[in-house]
Amino acid sequence: GAVVSQHPSRVICKSGTSVKIECRSLDFQATTMFWYRQFPKQSLMLMATSNEGSKATYEQGVEKDKFLINHASLTLSTLTVTSAHPEDSSFYICSAGEGIGGQPQHFGDGTRLSIL
Amino acid sequence: GENVEQHPSTLSVQEGDSAVIKCTYSDSASNYFPWYKQELGKRPQLIIDIRSNVGEKKDQRIAVTLNKTAKHFSLHITETQPEDSAVYFCAASKDSGAGSYQLTFGKGTKLSVIP
Repeated sequence: GAVVSQHPSRVICKSGTSVKIECRSLDFQATTMFWYRQFPKQSLMLMATSNEGSKATYEQGVEKDKFLINHASLTLSTLTVTSAHPEDSSFYICSAGEGIGGQPQHFGDGTRLSIL
Repeated sequence: GENVEQHPSTLSVQEGDSAVIKCTYSDSASNYFPWYKQELGKRPQLIIDIRSNVGEKKDQRIAVTLNKTAKHFSLHITETQPEDSAVYFCAASKDSGAGSYQLTFGKGTKLSVIP
C-alpha cells in the first residue's frame, strides 16, 4: 500500500532554532502534499497545501514566513519552522495523495515538536 | 468554506456491540468522504472512504453510508473489539482548484470498547 515517510519523529530544541521536517511518498508520486498541525486531543488543522514545482497555498492565519514549505520533487516536501518559539510546539503531520484528485490521502507518522 | 460536524465526541460500547458515528457537512460540492482511525500518538489511518456517486460501502465489520440530500454520512462498526478503541475522524473533500483536494476534518470521536 501507499507509504508516506515523515522525519524526524521527535524534535526538542531551544527557542529561536529553525527546524526542518521532511515528508516523502515512498512508492507513489504525489503532485500535492498537505501539512497539518494537531494539538492534543484535537482535530487536524490544515496549514498549507504543497504543490510540486510551485508555491504552497497557506490557510488563513498561517504565517508563510514562519512555516516555509518546499516541494522540490514529486516525492518530497519539506516544512521548515523558522525561529521556533514555545507556542510552535505541536504535532505536525504531512499527507500525500494518490489516485484521482490526490485521494485518498495517506499520512506520515507525524513529528512532535517541542520548543524549550 | 466547508464545515464538518461530528457526533458524538466520545462513545463507549461493550465489546461485540455496534458503534455508529455521524457527520454532517455544509458544502454540497463535496464529493469524497474518508474516515480515519488514529491511535494515541500515531498517524491517522484510512479505514474506509466513499464517493458521492455511492450511497453505501462496506468492508468486513466497517460500513459507511452517505445521504447527499441531507449532507450527512455515518460510520458503522459492528461486532466491536477492544482494538477498535481509538479516535475516529470523518472528513469531507472537494476539488479546491488546480486538481488538489483538501480535506476538512470533523473534531473526532473517541471510541472506547469495553471488554
